[in-house]
Amino acid sequence: TQLLEQSPQFLSIQEGENLTVYCNSSSVFSSLQWYRQEPGEGPVLLVTVVTGGEVKKLKRLTFQFGDARKDSSLHITAAQPGDTGLYLCAGEHTPLVFGKGTRLSVIA
Amino acid sequence: GAVVSQHPSWVICKSGTSVKIECRSLDFQATTMFWYRQFPKQSLMLMATSNEGSKATYEQGVEKDKFLINHASLTLSTLTVTSAHPEDSSFYICSVDRDRGRDYTFGSGTRLTVV
Repeated sequence: TQLLEQSPQFLSIQEGENLTVYCNSSSVFSSLQWYRQEPGEGPVLLVTVVTGGEVKKLKRLTFQFGDARKDSSLHITAAQPGDTGLYLCAGEHTPLVFGKGTRLSVIA
Repeated sequence: GAVVSQHPSWVICKSGTSVKIECRSLDFQATTMFWYRQFPKQSLMLMATSNEGSKATYEQGVEKDKFLINHASLTLSTLTVTSAHPEDSSFYICSVDRDRGRDYTFGSGTRLTVV
């Protein structure tokens, strides 16, 4: 089983602050996906990163795939309460296997 | 992406009874669907892979006789929790792989409470 470690597991910040979430593995992935899950809902795909060193931006969210394709990071700029949720990374695999997730709480 | 519908959204049942959860792929013919379970404050754990027209593949530690999976068509997979117990209370989520591991769409989940 390819293990994905996410850190931090929990994060509580004030509105307007920046934060970074990390996803690390000892395995190389062809691609890596980030999801966000809100309470009572299924995960929703945010982005898929494919190329080592790739950076993708989604409004205030910046995703980076490590050069060796073993790790990834998610940076949120000027966090808002609407960013609150569980952020999950998953390496390309069938079936999809998730990291433990980072539970983010943004306080107004 | 594919639209995946789960039903019911929530269900409460008595211990010892069985509960069926449906997962429908509305706009994509899925030969394979996946069932996950999520306990409070935890990540999703894969339970089984549902294969259209054949037996499901269960993950280690998941009882196949307790969690019955049927994938009779390309658009419908069902998960039946048999003889449910309170420890089976959880959030059950299905998903469809639309593009060889790069495009997964998830259902909205089913909250099961066994009393």
